[in-house]
Amino acid sequence: DVKVTQSSRYLVKRTGEKVFLECVQDMDHENMFWYRQDPGLGLRLIYFSYDVKMKEKGDIPEGYSVSREKKERFSLILESASTNQTSMYLCASSATGGGNTIYFGEGSWLTVV
Amino acid sequence: GNSVTQMEGPVTLSEEAFLTINCTYTATGYPSLFWYVQYPGEGLQLLLKATKADDKGSNKGFEATYRKETTSFHLEKGSVQVSDSAVYFCARTNAGGTSYGKLTFGQGTILTVHP
Repeated sequence: DVKVTQSSRYLVKRTGEKVFLECVQDMDHENMFWYRQDPGLGLRLIYFSYDVKMKEKGDIPEGYSVSREKKERFSLILESASTNQTSMYLCASSATGGGNTIYFGEGSWLTVV
Repeated sequence: GNSVTQMEGPVTLSEEAFLTINCTYTATGYPSLFWYVQYPGEGLQLLLKATKADDKGSNKGFEATYRKETTSFHLEKGSVQVSDSAVYFCARTNAGGTSYGKLTFGQGTILTVHP
């Protein structure tokens, strides 16, 4: 069974803190993604990675960075959290190839106070 | 560009009613099309997909047909159940030779089914 695991389901952080969101997949997928989900806006792509140590900006990368040191792990970093980063963050992975299914983790609810 | 527009919600139905959630996409390239479902407190799960024109995706009684002429991928179910209450997202693959499987999502439609 496919599995994308996000390390934290619920986090509360203070403004200005550095925040790490971790994601691990066990399907040997090449591609990994970080989306944020906000009411009325759907899912928006923050960053994605198509290989180890490779990354590309998505639609809303400002205020975020990512790290992919191992194929199975993709981390999202908020260097200095702000209240407008309060959101649900979803990690996902997929195999390379046209039309391949993207598999999602359960999400991490981040509240920045 | 790559965009997806979904029917605004929320949608409220009685059990056994017919469901349609409209979805249209921009016609750039030849995308694959998806419907994902998000049950309360969970991540997104693939519900169904279609990879070329006139394909019909189906799963759990839901269906959607890839209509190139109308650039649409409307989700339908003949008889909804309370357990179908969830948020439904339409999505397309991004155009371009090295899209790496990125998807563009619609804004989501909240469905509530009452007994």
